Amino acid sequence: AQTVTQSQPEMSVQEAETVTLSCTYDTSESDYYLFWYKQPPSRQMILVIRQEAYKQQNATENRFSVNFQKAAKSFSLKISDSQLGDAAMYFCAYRTSYGNKLVFGAGTILRVKS
Amino acid sequence: DSGVTQTPKHLITATGQRVTLRCSPRSGDLSVYWYQQSLDQGLQFLIQYYNGEERAKGNILERFSAQQFPDLHSELNLSSLELGDSALYFCASSPLASGASDTQYFGPGTRLTVL
Repeated sequence: AQTVTQSQPEMSVQEAETVTLSCTYDTSESDYYLFWYKQPPSRQMILVIRQEAYKQQNATENRFSVNFQKAAKSFSLKISDSQLGDAAMYFCAYRTSYGNKLVFGAGTILRVKS
Repeated sequence: DSGVTQTPKHLITATGQRVTLRCSPRSGDLSVYWYQQSLDQGLQFLIQYYNGEERAKGNILERFSAQQFPDLHSELNLSSLELGDSALYFCASSPLASGASDTQYFGPGTRLTVL
């Protein structure tokens, strides 16, 4: 069974600084998808970024980028120029290429200090 | 706003009762997924429906059931409720049953409190 591990329960960053959230996963599949979802205090789950395992190029969405290391099964999220609105719980998630259900990590709470 | 709607936003009920949670997917999406978020279990996949048919099942209790109607909205029925069923229940939708381009978009969730 696939598992997703987020080893940092909580992280803090100063406004305008850069922070990296870690995620590792375990799978025997060669083709799959990885996601980062953001859950602010409103509890809404918001898709931040997605990465296809067959693509070597790391995905980027504005201030959000990933460092995808397939051999190491690592998928970290880098937030640049952190803003107060980035404060949220961040979930790493995995899905097989043919599958449907998302497998989530336990989440990392990100606090942004002004 | 993801385009996925869920009602009600909050639900408070007693042990032993039955409740129904409702979800309307984004326009054009054929798949509906249900997830449960609780403090002890985290975010868990419960069940998926695609175009009216059950497609995949996860850690869904026998006391829980779901269905998807011809207009593609879905309902999650929780019966014989226990204190441990208190959680945030999310619905998500996607265009397809599975596959490469399929991304799930989440609704705002229904907060269920069982007293």
